[in-house]
Amino acid sequence: NAGVTQTPKFQVLKTGQSMTLQCAQDMNHEYMSWYRQDPGMGLRLIHYSVGAGITDQGEVPNGYNVSRSTTEDFPLRLLSAAPSQTSVYFCASSSDRGGGYTFGSGTRLTVV
Amino acid sequence: AQSVSQHNHHVILSEAASLELGCNYSYGGTVNLFWYVQYPGQHLQLLLKYFSGDPLVKGIKGFEAEFIKSKFSFNLRKPSVQWSDTAEYFCAVNALSSGTYKYIFGTGTRLKVLA
Repeated sequence: NAGVTQTPKFQVLKTGQSMTLQCAQDMNHEYMSWYRQDPGMGLRLIHYSVGAGITDQGEVPNGYNVSRSTTEDFPLRLLSAAPSQTSVYFCASSSDRGGGYTFGSGTRLTVV
Repeated sequence: AQSVSQHNHHVILSEAASLELGCNYSYGGTVNLFWYVQYPGQHLQLLLKYFSGDPLVKGIKGFEAEFIKSKFSFNLRKPSVQWSDTAEYFCAVNALSSGTYKYIFGTGTRLKVLA
């Protein structure tokens, strides 16, 4: 089915470990974003991309890296995991800069 | 800085009651406005969106929203809620900021509908 695919769905990391959250979309969308969702804080933008090779920082980029080598993929890398990065992470894509987002099903990350 | 405010964090209603959830944004330029719904344990889904034209926008599942430019508001309404509307609702704004579009979400309103 067409949409946004995120892997893994669940992950537990130890403090200091690194990992990559995967995000892929098959709708040929130019715009992709990563958000984290924390109770009472809504969704906060981590990084976003307006096309292959172009990325920019959102509200809370510290501790995360992204790259966009293809239109389809937009991985999020945690460089050195910290307990403050325990959250649910959502990847989303859109066909145009003003459009509605299609969200992935999320990755629930726990850092111990 | 661009921001989105949702004033009600928790709302509890009985079935058949009317719903209005507030959303205000702080940005003076051209904006695109959205409401999303997140059912328990699921990802966000688009309910409705406003780009231009008629300020009263109708979405899925009987929801509608009204854009009032003078009040910087985009409130969500439903005349008669159902138990299945229990979910968290997010308002979002997409606006041009520093040469690029940024998509900002409110903190959400958790709605519980009592059967």
